[in-house]
Amino acid sequence: GENVEQHPSTLSVQEGDSAVIKCTYSDSASNYFPWYKQELGKGPQLIIDIRSNVGEKKDQRIAVTLNKTAKHFSLHITETQPEDSAVYFCAASREAAGNKLTFGGGTRVLVKP
Amino acid sequence: DSGVTQTPKHLITATGQRVTLRCSPRSGDLSVYWYQQSLDQGLQFLIQYYNGEERAKGNILERFSAQQFPDLHSELNLSSLELGDSALYFCASSGQGAVNTEAFFGQGTRLTVV
Repeated sequence: GENVEQHPSTLSVQEGDSAVIKCTYSDSASNYFPWYKQELGKGPQLIIDIRSNVGEKKDQRIAVTLNKTAKHFSLHITETQPEDSAVYFCAASREAAGNKLTFGGGTRVLVKP
Repeated sequence: DSGVTQTPKHLITATGQRVTLRCSPRSGDLSVYWYQQSLDQGLQFLIQYYNGEERAKGNILERFSAQQFPDLHSELNLSSLELGDSALYFCASSGQGAVNTEAFFGQGTRLTVV
């Protein structure tokens, strides 16, 4: 089955700096890659996603890139703010498996003011 | 608010007992997914239902079962509970039949087995 690796497991950045989280996946048939943000005591919240026919997607301060050949995708957060502090999860799924998501292990991001 | 409702929010029970977790998906969503989140295992897919039928199964224990009812709400039943079953259980729902659509998560049920 699919395996998703996520790095780093923790990330501490200064407010205003950029944060980058990287994920690799094993199943070349995976074609949907969402990113979720989980705040303490809450469920994961979708922040951005990308499909395999697109190499990059941006939404304000958040961007995701996908390299299908290398089977890796990354989340970029620019101009970080204290409210960006949370645990971020990448995930992958493939059409034949419906929307069953395989998650990475998570990255705890701390933005220091 | 994701529109996915899970009850109860917290549950404390003893080993050997049985509990039922409930999930109401977003209005119109036909797919319901259950995930388990524990400290050492991250978010693990348990099972998926689509319009009342089981569609995909993950590493769900035989002691666990689920169903989706005609009104599309779903229940996850956990029996013969063990200390290691303590975790957050999340329900997610997604759209009407299309694959690879956004999955929206509920706030979770925190299960503590003592």
